[in-house]
Amino acid sequence: QSVLTQPSSTSGTPGQRVTISCSGSSSNIGNNDVYWYQQLPGTAPKLLIYRNNQRPSGVPDRFSGSKSGTSASLAISGLRSEDEADYYCATWDDSLFAWVFGGGTRLTVL
Amino acid sequence: EVQLVESGGGLVQPGGSLRLSCEASGFTFSYYDMHWVRQATGKGLEWVSAIGTGGDPNYPGSVKGRFTISRENAKNSLYLQISSLRAGDTAVYYCARRNPKWGAFDLWGQGTMVTVSS
Repeated sequence: QSVLTQPSSTSGTPGQRVTISCSGSSSNIGNNDVYWYQQLPGTAPKLLIYRNNQRPSGVPDRFSGSKSGTSASLAISGLRSEDEADYYCATWDDSLFAWVFGGGTRLTVL
Repeated sequence: EVQLVESGGGLVQPGGSLRLSCEASGFTFSYYDMHWVRQATGKGLEWVSAIGTGGDPNYPGSVKGRFTISRENAKNSLYLQISSLRAGDTAVYYCARRNPKWGAFDLWGQGTMVTVSS
């Protein structure tokens, strides 16, 4: 079981807005920044969001992140077929003294 | 080109050892903390080790004592020595660079597959 809890799957149609949740605790999300990674099929993970809501250059503004208390969310608006991928949240855990990831959410674009 | 390239994976018998390598190019390797993250087939990401710019290692409890991370800045290289391999270590192993300003793993290699089987 992952320290951070994400839904295992979600789906949407092109143009739609979807959100992916990431739930943790006071020792991880509640006290540290959250990061989001996108993993396209057969490829390495790619940084999507850093420090809760910041986008690296090159990441479309259709992707946005937020954090409140011990939970975080990734929102994808204007869904496109190329967004079909696995999405992972991550943060540092002060109790485990380790980087922890969510179990991942598979996004299907119908 | 800024990139990380892993190597050293393969088929290993249970109880065996393996050393993975990660060669960095296109950036000043010595300036960055470096990490190893693994992913079993069809499973999620799991952080397995880190090494700071000063060579200080860090491991999760699940691998402490079996995994040894090291770096050789003169060769722009990162290593992961894995001993007492078990079936649960079967995974793709990625090396990743941690961006000091962002705090994130901002650069990943393509991964190297380790299979532990008799």
